[in-house]
Amino acid sequence: SQELEQSPQSLIVQEGKNLTINCTSSKTLYGLYWYKQKYGEGLIFLMMLQKGGEEKSHEKITAKLDEKKQQSSLHITASQPSHAGIYLCGGRGSQGNLIFGKGTKLSVKP
Amino acid sequence: EPEVTQTPSHQVTQMGQEVILRCVPISNHLYFYWYRQILGQKVEFLVSFYNNEISEKSEIFDDQFSVERPDGSNFTLKIRSTKLEDSAMYFCASEVAPSSYNEQFFGPGTRLTVL
Repeated sequence: SQELEQSPQSLIVQEGKNLTINCTSSKTLYGLYWYKQKYGEGLIFLMMLQKGGEEKSHEKITAKLDEKKQQSSLHITASQPSHAGIYLCGGRGSQGNLIFGKGTKLSVKP
Repeated sequence: EPEVTQTPSHQVTQMGQEVILRCVPISNHLYFYWYRQILGQKVEFLVSFYNNEISEKSEIFDDQFSVERPDGSNFTLKIRSTKLEDSAMYFCASEVAPSSYNEQFFGPGTRLTVL
């Protein structure tokens, strides 16, 4: 079965610093989704990537999917306290559902 | 912007009781899902539903669980006899079709606490 591993598990950065979160799949990804979750709350959609080599940006967040479609990264530029939360990557399973990584907990120190 | 809604936001129940979690998917969506997240763990797939029947289910979705679309708008998850280990956040999601080109929209979740 497909597994998604995220690294790091947690991250503490100083406000204004850049950071990168990685997501690696055990199988080729057919659709890679990034969500953000505040602790104990719902999932907020950030971006989805479909094609190998694809890169998307929204505000200060950039997500990339590698050519082999097995790795994705999420990069935040000039982090702010509002970026704090848990970032989840999800891949499409063969049943249409999303399979999620364990998440990366981001804390941003003012 | 259309959104998936869920009620209640928090449900507390006694072990052995039945609970029904409710979801209203986005109106033009055809595929519906339930996921759960035990505190501190991964979001896990429970079941998918299309055309008024279960499409797929995970091994978590045993005989204690059932889903229903009782009318044109609601999508429910019933747990027949709750156990302590059913305590989790339950998320409903919907989408037009399960494609890598489509976004799966999640509701805000129902936190279920079983005492």
